[in-house]
Amino acid sequence: GAVVSQHPSWVICKSGTSVKIECRSLDFQATTMFWYRQFPKQSLMLMATSNEGSKATYEQGVEKDKFLINHASLTLSTLTVTSAHPEDSSFYICSASRDNNEQFFGPGTRLTVL
Amino acid sequence: AQSVTQPDIHITVSEGASLELRCNYSYGATPYLFWYVQSPGQGLQLLLKYFSGDTLVQGIKGFEAEFKRSQSSFNLRKPSVHWSDAAEYFCAVGPPEYSSASKIIFGSGTRLSIRP
Repeated sequence: GAVVSQHPSWVICKSGTSVKIECRSLDFQATTMFWYRQFPKQSLMLMATSNEGSKATYEQGVEKDKFLINHASLTLSTLTVTSAHPEDSSFYICSASRDNNEQFFGPGTRLTVL
Repeated sequence: AQSVTQPDIHITVSEGASLELRCNYSYGATPYLFWYVQSPGQGLQLLLKYFSGDTLVQGIKGFEAEFKRSQSSFNLRKPSVHWSDAAEYFCAVGPPEYSSASKIIFGSGTRLSIRP
C-alpha cells in the first residue's frame, strides 16, 4: 500500500510553453501533498505544500504564479510550470501523506526545457 | 535555525564491508528523524524513522540507525553492504509535533558507491 505515482516520468518542452505534472496517491487518500524540486546531485528543496480544496502554501522564493499547484481531490495534485524556461529544468518530486505521519514519495518527473 | 548536516558527500565501500553514514541535526527539540534512499532517477524510499522510544531503530534492507541525543546525531549503519545498496542517502528531520501536514527538511545527501 501507499503508492504514489507521477505522470509524466519525463518531459521535454520548448521554452515559453507550460507543462503539467500529475501526482496521484493510488491506494490511499492523501491529506497533504508536497512538491519538491531537486537539481542534479543536490538535495530536495520543498516548493509548496497543498491540502485538498485549499490554496497551496509556497516556500519562500518560489513563484506561485509560475508554479501553479492544484489539489482538486484527496488523490490528485497537479503542478503546472508556466512559461517554462531552461532554468526550470529539474527533477520534480511529489509526496503524499496520510494520518500515519509518513510521506510517501512519487518516482519523480524529469523536466527538460529547451 | 533548523538544519540537517550530512558531512560526507561521497563514500565508497567494498561489497561486504560495513557502512556508517553520518547525520547531525540542529533543532530546538528532539525532532522526528528519517533516512531515505534514492536510486538514480527515482523517488525516495523510506529506510527507517525515529519518533521516540528505543534509540536503535531497525529499518528495511538490513539498515539500522542510532539516535544519540547528546551528539544530535542519527547515523545510519549496515553491517554488510551489497552492490544494490549503491544509491543516494538522505537524512531528514520533521518537527517534534510531526503530523501529516508537517514539512521535512532534508540533508544534502551522501552518495554511496560500492567497490566490487
